[in-house]
Amino acid sequence: AQSVTQLDSHVSVSEGTPVLLRCNYSSSYSPSLFWYVQHPNKGLQLLLKYTSAATLVKGINGFEAEFKKSETSFHLTKPSAHMSDAAEYFCVVSDRSNAGNMLTFGGGTRLMVKP
Amino acid sequence: KAGVTQTPRYLIKTRGQQVTLSCSPISGHRSVSWYQQTPGQGLQFLFEYFSETQRNKGNFPGRFSGRQFSNSRSEMNVSTLELGDSALYLCASRGRLAGSTDTQYFGPGTRLTVL
Repeated sequence: AQSVTQLDSHVSVSEGTPVLLRCNYSSSYSPSLFWYVQHPNKGLQLLLKYTSAATLVKGINGFEAEFKKSETSFHLTKPSAHMSDAAEYFCVVSDRSNAGNMLTFGGGTRLMVKP
Repeated sequence: KAGVTQTPRYLIKTRGQQVTLSCSPISGHRSVSWYQQTPGQGLQFLFEYFSETQRNKGNFPGRFSGRQFSNSRSEMNVSTLELGDSALYLCASRGRLAGSTDTQYFGPGTRLTVL
């Protein structure tokens, strides 16, 4: 069975400061990991995806994440927060153990950006 | 390329009624997955369809059902609605290969309110 834990339910940063959203996962198989973002009253938008190529993954809008197998972590970072980054972020693991493709979501981290 | 579309976007029903939600995937995609998002339970997997066959099913009661048509469009049905079924229902579309790690692309969701 797989699971995802997002270590902070809320993160507040000032505009222009770094962002760190923490995620730990558990998977019996070599996982595919994703970060999605959800703005209010919107669907989910893919930020980035890891699938066992480079451990440092670059995504859209300046976000990146590093896969660390020894720590079972996949933290999301951005060097400088922008007001438009305020949203909810989901760390997601994909189950490739069967013929389907089921996503397991973390509980989400709400990012607030102060001016 | 057009994205994933879901209809209707908003729906209000009363307890005991049934509801059908529709999802049109990205052109060429053969997999459609459904997820339920609630404040209490977060994002939970309902089921996945690939080429008109259910490939995976989450831990939901039999009142939740779905189907996929030959054009890959999918419908989700909830019978005998309960207050706890109030949620954002998200549909996700994925590529042409079963069991692959293709990214899932999400629609804007259908907001269901049960009174």
